[in-house]
This record gives sequence, C-alpha cells and structure tokens, in this order.
Amino acid sequence: DTAVSQTPKYLVTQMGNDKSIKCEQNLGHDTMYWYKQDSKKFLKIMFSYNNKELIINETVPNRFSPKSPDKAHLNLHINSLELGDSAVYFCASSLAGGLSDTQYFGPGTRLTVL
Amino acid sequence: GDSVTQMEGPVTLSEEAFLTINCTYTATGYPSLFWYVQYPGEGLQLLLKATKADDKGSNKGFEATYRKETTSFHLEKGSVQVSDSAVYFCALAVSSGSARQLTFGSGTQLTVLP
Repeated sequence: DTAVSQTPKYLVTQMGNDKSIKCEQNLGHDTMYWYKQDSKKFLKIMFSYNNKELIINETVPNRFSPKSPDKAHLNLHINSLELGDSAVYFCASSLAGGLSDTQYFGPGTRLTVL
Repeated sequence: GDSVTQMEGPVTLSEEAFLTINCTYTATGYPSLFWYVQYPGEGLQLLLKATKADDKGSNKGFEATYRKETTSFHLEKGSVQVSDSAVYFCALAVSSGSARQLTFGSGTQLTVLP
C-alpha cells in the first residue's frame, strides 16, 4: 500500500564511494522529484522528472545523476561521495507537476558519509 | 527570486493552546501555497493548501488563508494536541519553464507538552 517508497532507509558509507538510492511510486503519477534535507531541516529541490524526462535540474554537482527507467521509478546515483553530501534525501511524486498538485513524499534516505 | 519566510522555531506549547505559525512569501505571478508537516522519522505530507487569493485551506483543525495583500499564509489551530508535535513547512509552487516546483520555508519545529 506504500505510495512512495525509497531504499535504503539508512546508508552509511566512506568518502569517495559511489552509492545509489532507489525510489518507486505506485500512484500512477507522471512527475517525480528528488529533494535534499540538510541537518537544519532545510529542503531543496534537486531534480524533477516528468514522464521519464528531466525537467528541473537545480545547481547540483554533476556527481549526482538521476535515472528514470520508467515513470514509476526515479533513482539517484551519487559518485565520489563527500562529507557534505550527508543529509536526508527525499523522493516525491505528483500527478502531473501542476501548480496546485500535491506532492507525495517517501520516508527519506538518511545518508551519512564518513 | 521566489522565497518563503517562516517563523523561527522551536515553538513549545501546552496541550489545548492556540497555535500560530507565521509564513510570508515573495513570488512572481500567482503561486499556490501549501503547508506540509513532517512527523519524526517520516517524510513530508500535505496538511493543507490554497490555490488563489482569499482561499482558506483546512484540515485536522488547522487553517490557513491565502492573503495576497499581505503575501501571507499563516497556519493556525485553535487547540493543539500532543500528536501535533512535528515540523511544519510552508511552501509555494511556482512555474519554472515547463515545470512546477515547490520552494520551502525553513520549517518550524512544534512541540506540544501534555
């Protein structure tokens, strides 16, 4: 019944490693997003995909690469992890990315880079 | 650019107290406005929204009115409960080319004591 799911929930890794976070939604939505929440709870959009096409790509290091194999999945791959990448990453989806559309968030992935 | 300014937290109240969390925004055009809530260890979920001036969003006893003249969307609840303890985010949705993205305020931590 989970609407937006993410795996893993926790990720602890060393600097310099490469890791991926997976996201799936079963709501039939067309638009998916990745957000980063820092230690002060500030949330910032990273990427947005609509029907597998990238439509928002905020100023994010190119070590971060989103991949959408189909419109129900949006994965986030991170190369050469740095200490500053430690944060909680949230996936979200919305029906069509409209101005008043509600976004549904996953439970988050807490990434800790040592 | 577009931005949301939220009342700084944390806010601590006794059960049954009146709650106000202030939110003001700066935006070009006519944004939609949202309040999202994040319970401990969970992702964000929509609390309420308003899509045009003078609209009032309401849910679970919470209310907020879209005030274009004061560019505000303050969150209120007449009698808070312990279960309302969470982080509350004000957000606006703006157009960015073909995309609609949410811009969040910094979040306000609410703790309700029994």
